[in-house]
Amino acid sequence: DAGVTQSPTHLIKTRGQQVTLRCSPKSGHDTVSWYQQALGQGPQFIFQYYEEEERQRGNFPDRFSGHQFPNYSSELNVNALLLGDSALYLCASSLPEADGYTFGSGTRLTVV
Amino acid sequence: GESVGLHLPTLSVQEGDNSIINCAYSNSASDYFIWYKQESGKGPQFIIDIRSNMDKRQGQRVTVLLNKTVKHLSLQIAATQPGDSAVYFCAENQGGSSNTGKLIFGQGTTLQVKP
Repeated sequence: DAGVTQSPTHLIKTRGQQVTLRCSPKSGHDTVSWYQQALGQGPQFIFQYYEEEERQRGNFPDRFSGHQFPNYSSELNVNALLLGDSALYLCASSLPEADGYTFGSGTRLTVV
Repeated sequence: GESVGLHLPTLSVQEGDNSIINCAYSNSASDYFIWYKQESGKGPQFIIDIRSNMDKRQGQRVTVLLNKTVKHLSLQIAATQPGDSAVYFCAENQGGSSNTGKLIFGQGTTLQVKP
């Protein structure tokens, strides 16, 4: 059983560009959360999706948006990239009847 | 405000010794806490969790202690092994149940195990 799968694993973008990151949750998991982890820091909550709706959101600007599909997979979109958006972006999924979250290995985004 | 902090950025221990990693939290209403291990190039991996109605919980070689009076929790690793070398995060679950809330992470403690 595959865990949480994220793609791509690495990418490099230029300031001002837009990027889309993808996440496939663990089998059976219907809730997907996205986190940003700057180098040397703990992950910071961006937002959470459930039933294709954004359920809650952290303190991130509107440049960060997302989507969840009927198969529970999710995308994170970031517009007008800034150098400070360089980070590891983590996706976590969870199951309604059980505790906790399963994290993917992340997408390393570098903005130059 | 919400914050979760760890006392030491780096902890160095000898292989075979016990390790203790500490964490302080600020929200007295928090009721669910999780410890994660993150190895280089990987996402956080669940180690153990504890709810606020408990003071202690044990897993395989790991124990989490929760002191609600001083808003402090700790992770104890018995007989530390080289494979335990990683960054350890405590996280506080807020705003929902244990699988729908958002996680507030501390900055992490790097555990270095010396052979």
